[in-house]
Amino acid sequence: NAGVTQTPKFQVLKTGQSMTLQCAQDMNHNSMYWYRQDPGMGLRLIYYSASEGTTDKGEVPNGYNVSRLNKREFSLRLESAAPSQTSVYFCASSVSRGNEQFFGPGTRLTVL
Amino acid sequence: DQQVKQNSPSLSVQEGRISILNCDYTNSMFDYFLWYKKYPAEGPTFLISISSIKDKNEDGRFTVFLNKSAKHLSLHIVPSQPGDSAVYFCAAPFWAGGTSYGKLTFGQGTILTVHP
Repeated sequence: NAGVTQTPKFQVLKTGQSMTLQCAQDMNHNSMYWYRQDPGMGLRLIYYSASEGTTDKGEVPNGYNVSRLNKREFSLRLESAAPSQTSVYFCASSVSRGNEQFFGPGTRLTVL
Repeated sequence: DQQVKQNSPSLSVQEGRISILNCDYTNSMFDYFLWYKKYPAEGPTFLISISSIKDKNEDGRFTVFLNKSAKHLSLHIVPSQPGDSAVYFCAAPFWAGGTSYGKLTFGQGTILTVHP
């Protein structure tokens, strides 16, 4: 039982490059989330998926897209990376609304 | 508009003493609060929660207090141990006129350092 896994752990991009961050959970959770963590800002919600087949914007969705591929997997795509997207990205999952979320180990992304 | 605020960026405590981490919120609709703990290079892990129908919830060395009239909650760690050194986040469900689907809004975090 691995919980929530994220790949890659680290990534360096040049401005304008694209990439996809992968996330998978093996807890049969319905809801999945993508957050970014910046110094002094806490964790801010980028996108979430309440259930398979649905996705919605969070607090800071600009510059990102997501795909809920199936119940297990929820990917985050940066189409044209910008230095402002340098951050640590966390994926999380939960059974349903109001329940505690379980987080992955994070992806540290640097955009030059 | 940050609806959950942790105004102390850091806290330093001696081993064995009490650590008190504070959190304020602005949205009176919040009915559930959570505390998460985060070590460097790891994801946050759930620590303890409290429903708004209670004013206290205890789990071992960790106790969360909720003061609804003041829109304030606090996490007490007694006794503090060096292994408690981490970043602590308070969080509440992110309501936006309907169901939250488990979305959370987080405070900025407080770095706790427990000295031996």
